[in-house]
Amino acid sequence: DAGVIQSPRHEVTEMGQEVTLRCKPISGHDYLFWYRQTMMRGLELLIYFNNNVPIDDSGMPEDRFSAKMPNASFSTLKIQPSEPRDSAVYFCASSLNPVVGYTFGSGTRLTVV
Amino acid sequence: GQQLNQSPQSMFIQEGEDVSMNCTSSSIFNTWLWYKQDPGEGPVLLIALYKAGELTSNGRLTAQFGITRKDSFLNISASIPSDVGIYFCAGPGDYGGSQGNLIFGKGTKLSVKP
Repeated sequence: DAGVIQSPRHEVTEMGQEVTLRCKPISGHDYLFWYRQTMMRGLELLIYFNNNVPIDDSGMPEDRFSAKMPNASFSTLKIQPSEPRDSAVYFCASSLNPVVGYTFGSGTRLTVV
Repeated sequence: GQQLNQSPQSMFIQEGEDVSMNCTSSSIFNTWLWYKQDPGEGPVLLIALYKAGELTSNGRLTAQFGITRKDSFLNISASIPSDVGIYFCAGPGDYGGSQGNLIFGKGTKLSVKP
């Protein structure tokens, strides 16, 4: 099993540009999560899906953030327009049963200049 | 909202020493999970606890589920340099009645001096 695959690993973009982060969950996992990690706030849940349906997006910072899961093997997190305060590491995770834990991807380090 | 408080925030220890860290909450959790994050990687699950009072080991790591259900402890015996990283506790959240998500503490950063 290749695990949860995220791309790109690093992204540097200019303020105002659109950024798209991608995630391929582990096959068979029904849950997919997007987290953001910063020094100040730690790991914050942005949104999660169950069977490709968004269940809770209350953690999405504002309308500039959107996430989709068009099928069971792919999800995107989009920021448009990006701002310097969006700089963080964004993690995708998937799970068969969240109570027993998630498997995280290696993350995308986003820098907005 | 739900919060998990971890202490200490950071530790700097000598190789071979034992390590203790804990996680507390103002609300009850029915599951406690401990993760480790290596630099530049995502967190990896170390130990899962499902019953109050439960004590579970994974090699040199031992974790306990507090009997009040509001805390958990992680101990590492005879630390080695590869123990370096950030250790997170986590428990199921409850957003809008659903329980599909985990709440994470802010982590304990462990540094080991050879």
